Amino acid sequence: EVQLLESGGDFVQPGGSLRLSCVASGFTFSSYAMTWVRQAPGKGLEWVSIISGSGGSTYYADSVKGRFTISRDNSKNTLFLQMNSLRGEDTAVYFCAKDFLGSSHTFDIWGQGTMVTVSS
Amino acid sequence: IVLTQSPATLSLSPGERATLSCRASQSVSIFLAWYQQKVGQAPRLLIYDASNRATGIPARFSGSGSGTDFTLTISSLEPEDFAVYYCQQRSNWPLTFGGGTKVEIK
Repeated sequence: EVQLLESGGDFVQPGGSLRLSCVASGFTFSSYAMTWVRQAPGKGLEWVSIISGSGGSTYYADSVKGRFTISRDNSKNTLFLQMNSLRGEDTAVYFCAKDFLGSSHTFDIWGQGTMVTVSS
Repeated sequence: IVLTQSPATLSLSPGERATLSCRASQSVSIFLAWYQQKVGQAPRLLIYDASNRATGIPARFSGSGSGTDFTLTISSLEPEDFAVYYCQQRSNWPLTFGGGTKVEIK
């Protein structure tokens, strides 16, 4: 069964850092781009970042560029999101998702999400 | 690219037809997907590249459109279809989602 399991969400003060993880199973992880999408409480979906299957290409939303870093360890089937200089507006459920066809930038498998709360 | 979904809320009864709209601020060709999200759950891919149903998606869901105007149609609403629906474009960076349409029970 294809599965994604996020972890690492927590309560953190503004200016703090957090590292999210997403462990994948049931597919050839290195063959697929992976993405992070977030959802603030009661709001819609916001794309955050994406990384190619090899890890050689990354893209970011303007709202997180320079503060967040996406990476992956294909030997451990794990996706990461390093979040620095956190702000209140980063408060959200963070979902990781698998690319549908490898690099189609459409996402067919999603994790259950991990909650990040940024507050003093 | 800004995606504008309308209406924000659609109040319908089971068995009725639902028509959801997604308009792009510039052409995205056919590179548009639709997702369904139920409360407390992750999104589910319904339609990719404007009109292709994802694996396991019932035939009552259909997508159409190209360029800037897209439609998701649910031919006859089942109880499990009441949810929020999002469109997403993959034509240009950054990837963007629409604001969502909530389909609620009338």
